[in-house]
Amino acid sequence: QVQLVESGGGVVQPGRSLRLSCGASGFIFSNYAIHWVRQAPGKGLEWVTFITHHGTNEYYADSVKGRFSISRDNSQNTVYLQMSSLRTEDTAVYYCAKGTAGTYSTSLDYWGQGTLVTVSS
Amino acid sequence: EVVMTQSPLSLPVTLGQPASISCRSSQSLAYRDGGTYLNWYQQRPGQSPRRLIYEVSKRDSGVPDRFSGSGSDTDFTLKISRVEAEDVAVYYCMQGTHWPPYTFGQGTKLEIK
Repeated sequence: QVQLVESGGGVVQPGRSLRLSCGASGFIFSNYAIHWVRQAPGKGLEWVTFITHHGTNEYYADSVKGRFSISRDNSQNTVYLQMSSLRTEDTAVYYCAKGTAGTYSTSLDYWGQGTLVTVSS
Repeated sequence: EVVMTQSPLSLPVTLGQPASISCRSSQSLAYRDGGTYLNWYQQRPGQSPRRLIYEVSKRDSGVPDRFSGSGSDTDFTLKISRVEAEDVAVYYCMQGTHWPPYTFGQGTKLEIK
């Protein structure tokens, strides 16, 4: 069965960096795009970024562009989210989710359990 | 950016009664390939989102048939024919036609009356 497991969350001071990981199993990882979606405490869902199946293209929400960077290692079935210049408003549970295609997904069909990032001094 | 607007934001429902959630998009979600990419997600308390419906009306495997999706263009609906206790959750619509960014509705919280 498809599984996505996020890790790397924690408490970090404003302005600092943090790297999240998303490990995948149960599907041919190199065939699918992977997305990150976040949810601030008590709030709704916000799409953050995605990377295409071979890592050729990346797309970002305006709120994180220039600060966050997504990458993937298909040999390790893992996607990374490097978050820099963190702000208090980046505090959220970060979910990774599988796209339904290698490049241009129209849906996110499986989600991980999420990892909490708290940006606080 | 396509804005997704859900209503109501809070939905108290009696067990066994139907429920309906509306989702409107600021632009048509019909794509040139003929598809319309509107998804519905369920997020139960303390859980991650789970996809229920994709491409407006296609139900995911394992989703009870009391859930149905309908609509076209900019106007979409998720219906639950008879609400059960396990349906208590927040429901989100999400468009996958015009990206980036992918955009979600604000969420509708379904509770038992």
